Amino acid sequence: GQNIDQPTEMTATEGAIVQINCTYQTSGFNGLFWYQQHAGEAPTFLSYNVLDGLEEKGRFSSFLSRSKGYSYLLLKELQMKDSASYLCAVMDSNYQLIWGAGTKLIIKP
Amino acid sequence: NAGVTQTPKFQVLKTGQSMTLQCAQDMNHEYMSWYRQDPGMGLRLIHYSVGAGITDQGEVPNGYNVSRSTTEDFPLRLLSAAPSQTSVYFCASSDLAGGRGTGELFFGEGSRLTVL
Repeated sequence: GQNIDQPTEMTATEGAIVQINCTYQTSGFNGLFWYQQHAGEAPTFLSYNVLDGLEEKGRFSSFLSRSKGYSYLLLKELQMKDSASYLCAVMDSNYQLIWGAGTKLIIKP
Repeated sequence: NAGVTQTPKFQVLKTGQSMTLQCAQDMNHEYMSWYRQDPGMGLRLIHYSVGAGITDQGEVPNGYNVSRSTTEDFPLRLLSAAPSQTSVYFCASSDLAGGRGTGELFFGEGSRLTVL
């Protein structure tokens, strides 16, 4: 079966760095996505990785290792507004997205 | 820019009632989809469409119907509501079609449905 695993909840301190991991087992691979979802709102796109390596976008970076079936989202200089759920999703061989359950990130002052 | 517009935002139904969740996008996206989101679970695909006149089932299609008569609109119909359909529903669109593009999804604001 297809499976996406990510931690249920993480806590970090304002101004710090946090890494949210995602491991996957899917039928084929056509890219990995990270989305941010604030409570009561819709998910919004953060990043897309299809090749191995690190993609940096401001305070957010996303890393992919296809051979390990592993990705992480790195958030630097954490701000209170970063408190949200972070969703990992993999596009399989049929170009359908398989979603993880999300990681709820709690930022403390 | 309206993006993806969903209505209604909140709805309470009784078991057995039917209703339609509306979804419209103004980005000329070929791909549209409906998801449900339940606590502790990932987004689950209900139905999707890769263009007008073309629809297909996702992971959890039972109890739901869709149609795609225009590029802009993709309504989701609950035929006979059941308590198990209590959820948050998201419509999403993308320029992904036939496996092209990055597939970034643009989501509507969500519809919270409670079935009593």
